[in-house]
Amino acid sequence: GENVEQHPSTLSVQEGDSAVIKCTYSDSASNYFPWYKQELGKRPQLIIDIRSNVGEKKDQRIAVTLNKTAKHFSLHITETQPEDSAVYFCAATTSGYSTLTFGKGTMLLVSP
Amino acid sequence: DSGVTQTPKHLITATGQRVTLRCSPRSGDLSVYWYQQSLDQGLQFLIQYYNGEERAKGNILERFSAQQFPDLHSELNLSSLELGDSALYFCASSVGQGVSSPLHFGNGTRLTVT
Repeated sequence: GENVEQHPSTLSVQEGDSAVIKCTYSDSASNYFPWYKQELGKRPQLIIDIRSNVGEKKDQRIAVTLNKTAKHFSLHITETQPEDSAVYFCAATTSGYSTLTFGKGTMLLVSP
Repeated sequence: DSGVTQTPKHLITATGQRVTLRCSPRSGDLSVYWYQQSLDQGLQFLIQYYNGEERAKGNILERFSAQQFPDLHSELNLSSLELGDSALYFCASSVGQGVSSPLHFGNGTRLTVT
């Protein structure tokens, strides 16, 4: 089955810095890669996603890049703010595209 | 608000007991997914239903079962509970049977087994 590795597990940055979270996946047939943000005690919320026919996607301060050959994708957050502090999960579709396999999450801490 | 409703919010029960978690998907969504979130374990996929039929199965224990009813709400039944079953259980829904459309998560049910 699909295996998704996510790094780092914890990331501390100063407000205004950039943050990058990286994920690798094992199933070359995966074609959909969403990122979810989970604030403490709350539900995961989709923040951005990318499909396998696209190499990069941006939405204001966040962007995701995908390298299908290397089977890795990354989340980039620029000009970080304290409210960006949360756990971020990457995910990839499993064979058959019916379910998502999630990485173990990255706790992002943005200090004022 | 995601539109996905989960009840109850909290559940405290003893080992060996059985509980039922309930989920109502967003209006128009036909797929329901159940995920378990434990400390340091991320989101573990349990099972998916699409329009009343089981569509995919993940790491779901034999003590756990689920179903989706004609009105599309779903229930996750956990029996012979063990301490290790304590976790946050999320339900998510999507429009289609695959995940090419985003998953929308409910607020979860926090289960504590004592």
